[in-house]
Amino acid sequence: GIQVEQSPPDLILQEGANSTLRCNFSDSVNNLQWFHQNPWGQLINLFYIPSGTKQNGRLSATTVATERYSLLYISSSQTTDSGVYFCAVEDWRGSTLGRLYFGRGTQLTVWP
Amino acid sequence: NAGVTQTPKFQVLKTGQSMTLQCAQDMNHNSMYWYRQDPGMGLRLIYYSASEGTTDKGEVPNGYNVSRLNKREFSLRLESAAPSQTSVYFCASVLAVMNTEAFFGQGTRLTVV
Repeated sequence: GIQVEQSPPDLILQEGANSTLRCNFSDSVNNLQWFHQNPWGQLINLFYIPSGTKQNGRLSATTVATERYSLLYISSSQTTDSGVYFCAVEDWRGSTLGRLYFGRGTQLTVWP
Repeated sequence: NAGVTQTPKFQVLKTGQSMTLQCAQDMNHNSMYWYRQDPGMGLRLIYYSASEGTTDKGEVPNGYNVSRLNKREFSLRLESAAPSQTSVYFCASVLAVMNTEAFFGQGTRLTVV
């Protein structure tokens, strides 16, 4: 299966700071999603972004499929942004179509 | 529109006990999945159902069975729970495989003592 690597593994910020999270994947994919897992464990869809750039409020994401990476930007961070951010990709050639391969996540802590 | 609903949210089992985790989606999605999440890890696929009437193994199927009861419901059964199955379990669904967004339930935190 596809290998997904996320960096950094941990990130500590003061409220108001900006950050960039990175997701590298080992082969071409047809689907990439970013999730936020909040402190209660819930997985929240942030972006479905196989390629290109999308923005949603203070968050934006860019996927460069040809270079096998995606970036998640968080601007003017807030304490509610704390949690784990996961990148997940789907390998269209895999035997398990629709299966997502997850990275290990970036643990983000935002202090007031 | 509830999306993907899992029950129960929390469960404690004794080693050797059995239980079934329930998952239902109301988005008319075709494919459903069960993942487990362990500390410091991403999610790993246990079983999946590409469409109603089909099920197949994922990455970590040992100790589990599944049933795709109908298009809406996909259950995960632990026949004889073991401490190694202590984990958080997530159900997910997609409209169709390839190029579609996955949606997850709120998770079931299972502890086996």
